[in-house]
Amino acid sequence: KAGVTQTPRYLIKTRGQQVTLSCSPISGHRSVSWYQQTPGQGLQFLFEYFSETQRNKGNFPGRFSGRQFSNSRSEMNVSTLELGDSALYLCASSLRIGVSQETQYFGPGTRLLVL
Amino acid sequence: KNEVEQSPQNLTAQEGEFITINCSYSVGISALHWLQQHPGGGIVSLFMLSSGKKKHGRLIATINIQEKHSSLHITASHPRDSAVYICAAWPGNQFYFGTGTSLTVIP
Repeated sequence: KAGVTQTPRYLIKTRGQQVTLSCSPISGHRSVSWYQQTPGQGLQFLFEYFSETQRNKGNFPGRFSGRQFSNSRSEMNVSTLELGDSALYLCASSLRIGVSQETQYFGPGTRLLVL
Repeated sequence: KNEVEQSPQNLTAQEGEFITINCSYSVGISALHWLQQHPGGGIVSLFMLSSGKKKHGRLIATINIQEKHSSLHITASHPRDSAVYICAAWPGNQFYFGTGTSLTVIP
C-alpha cells in the first residue's frame, strides 16, 4: 500500500501570497490531520478532517484553512503569507476519525519558505 | 506555559544502554502519543496510550494517568535509534506537543 503523499515537497513564496498544499492519505483512510513544524514552536496541530468535515482545530488564525474531498484527499490553504509561516507542513492519515484513538501515518511533509 | 514538558532535551548514550525519556503534561487527556522523527523530517508514530503499558520490540511506553506522566524506554539502544522523540497529549480537541528529546546513540 502506498503511504501518505504530499505535494509539493518544497515551495518558495513571497509575503502576501497564498499557498495550497495537498495531501493524499493511505488508501482506505478517511481521516486527515495537518501539522506545522518550526524550529521555534516545534510541532503544532492545525486541524483534522473526516468525511469532508473539519472535526478538530488548533490555535491558528483564520488565514489557515483546509478542506477534504470525497476521496479523502485534503488540501490546506494559507492566505496572506507571513515570514513566520515558513515551516514544514505535515499531514497524517488514519483509518477512522479520532486522532486520539488512531495510529497516525505521516507524510514526508511540504517545506514552505516565505521570503 | 507548556502543556507538555519533556526531559531530557538532549541525550547521548552508548550503544546497548537502557534509555528513558520522560513526558509530563498538565491537561486531562484521552490519549498520549509517542512519535519518532528522523533527520530529514519523517515522523513515525510509535505508541498511542490511554493507560498502562505498551511494548513493541525494544521500545516500551508507560503512562500514569493520575500523575500525568509518561515514559518511553529503549532497551539495548542502537545507533539506528538516534532520532528526536516527541510526546503529544490529546485532551479531546487538539494535540499538545512536547519540544522533543534528541537522542544520539554512539556505537
